[in-house]
Amino acid sequence: GQSLEQPSEVTAVEGAIVQINCTYQTSGFYGLSWYQQHDGGAPTFLSYNALDGLEETGRFSSFLSRSDSYGYLLLQELQMKDSASYFCAFPRGDDKIIFGKGTRLHILP
Amino acid sequence: EPEVTQTPSHQVTQMGQEVILRCVPISNHLYFYWYRQILGQKVEFLVSFYNNEISEKSEIFDDQFSVERPDGSNFTLKIRSTKLEDSAMYFCASRAGTQRASYNEQFFGPGTRLTVL
Repeated sequence: GQSLEQPSEVTAVEGAIVQINCTYQTSGFYGLSWYQQHDGGAPTFLSYNALDGLEETGRFSSFLSRSDSYGYLLLQELQMKDSASYFCAFPRGDDKIIFGKGTRLHILP
Repeated sequence: EPEVTQTPSHQVTQMGQEVILRCVPISNHLYFYWYRQILGQKVEFLVSFYNNEISEKSEIFDDQFSVERPDGSNFTLKIRSTKLEDSAMYFCASRAGTQRASYNEQFFGPGTRLTVL
């Protein structure tokens, strides 16, 4: 089957760094994506790792280890506006994205 | 910046009624999707659409659901006879699909909140 596991909630302090982990099980793996969703909003694409290693986009970085079926999203210099849910996900060919259950990130001032 | 739009933002209906949710994908995109998200839960795939036909559908997408691209811009999701458990946020998404770099990035609309009473 296919599954993605991530923590349900994470709390961090403004200005700090936080890492959100994701482990997955699937066949025919194409890569791992991360989406951000604010309350009442739409999922917004953050990053995609097709190969092992770290991808950096501004304050956000994403890491993938295919051999460990593991990835993480790293958020640096946290800002209050980063309070949101973060979903790891993987695409299945051209047809769809399978989302994890999401991690709710709480940021304390 | 181009974006996916959806109407209405909120739809309230009685159980057993038909609803049509409307989406306008980004104009040069080729792949279209519907997802739903029950409150507090994960986003779930419903159906994908390419070249004027369904590419794949999930087990949620039963005979009560249908999709259509009636013209060059709109993409609709119809639920023929709504049930209480259809209450959810429905997201439309689109993807260009013309370049390797866009392989994975789907652009989501703001969603339609469907409430079935």
